[in-house]
Formats: sequence, C-alpha cells, structure tokens
Amino acid sequence: NAGVTQTPKFQVLKTGQSMTLQCAQDMNHEYMSWYRQDPGMGLRLIHYSVGAGITDQGEVPNGYNVSRSTTEDFPLRLLSAAPSQTSVYFCASSSSGPRAYEQYFGPGTRLTVT
Amino acid sequence: AQSVTQLDSQVPVFEEAPVELRCNYSSSVSVYLFWYVQYPNQGLQLLLKYLSGSTLVKGINGFEAEFNKSQTSFHLRKPSVHISDTAEYFCAVRNRGSTLGRLYFGRGTQLTVWP
Repeated sequence: NAGVTQTPKFQVLKTGQSMTLQCAQDMNHEYMSWYRQDPGMGLRLIHYSVGAGITDQGEVPNGYNVSRSTTEDFPLRLLSAAPSQTSVYFCASSSSGPRAYEQYFGPGTRLTVT
Repeated sequence: AQSVTQLDSQVPVFEEAPVELRCNYSSSVSVYLFWYVQYPNQGLQLLLKYLSGSTLVKGINGFEAEFNKSQTSFHLRKPSVHISDTAEYFCAVRNRGSTLGRLYFGRGTQLTVWP
C-alpha cells in the first residue's frame, strides 16, 4: 500500500511552459484534492474531486486544470506557467465513509517557475 | 464558511520545555478539528483529531489538544518537547455535516526546538 504518490518531486519551468503534476492513490478513496503551500499562507485548495468524472474548483483555481478519469489518478495541469505559480504542491485523498475526516497527503512537488 | 487562525507564526522553545500552539476557528456550522504536522521537506501527517466526546484528545508523539467550544479554540500542547519536534504545525477544520473531505487550514506555526 503506497498511499498517495506524487511525481515529480522537483520541477523547474520557464514562464509560459505547460506541465502536468501527477498524483495517484491506491486506497480506493473517492475524494482527492490539490493544495498549494506558500510561506506564511498555509495550504490553499486549488481543485478537488469527489469521484471519477467529477471535479470542482477550490480557492485558487486560476491557471490550473484537473480531470479525474479513474478513481486512482488526479493530475494537475499548469496551462501556461507563471512565476506566481512557484510553490510546493500537495495532493491529498480521503474516503467518503466513516473515516472521511482523515486526509492522506502525498510528499509534495516543489515547482519553480523562472 | 470556515476560517482558522493560528495565533503564532513562529514558536521557539528550548528542549524539555512545555509548548502550546494556539488555534482559533470561526464557523457557522459544527466542525471536526485537526492538527497536522509537517517535518522539513515532507508532506503533512495527522497528529490528532477531535470528532466528538471528550474535549481532551491525545495524539502521536506525546501531543494533546483541548477543544473549547465557547472560545472556539483547539490549542495544541506538549509538556516536554524534543529537538525532533521541530516542524511546522497546521490546524484545520472540516464541516461536520459535509460528506466531502475538504479541510480549511490555518497558516501554520513553525515550532523550533533549541538544545
């Protein structure tokens, strides 16, 4: 049971480039989400999904796209990277059952946009 | 809507001293309460949670927290800290009535333990 995995761990992009951050979980969790973490700002929700084919926006969705074609995977796409997207990105998942309160986090992807 | 305020952004303490990290929340509905810990260059892991029942909850690594409904607080405490407790700590809430797992986080408190 690998839990929540994220790739890559580190990435450097030039302004205007696009890329996809990968997130996968093997716990059959319905709920998955993406956060960004910036110094002094805590974690802010970008997008979330409550199941395959269902996604919705969080607090800071601009510049990001998501899709959920399977229960296991929830990739985050940066359409045209900007320096303001330099951050650490965390993927998280949880079930919708009795333990829905507990979210499991991946190790993070550190992204730098130059 | 929910919001979480962590009153101290940085808390420096010496090893074996007690520590309290403060968290207040605002919500129009009942919530679950959580503390997460993030060690350097790692993801977040659950430290403890309050769902219902006893207002004093115990977590991993000797931490405990007390839910105070009248003061809408959920302060985290440890009677004697170790160097290894150096980490960032996040308080979070979740809407009790929602089936979603959405969490609302505070901005974090950096705990630094000095020898």
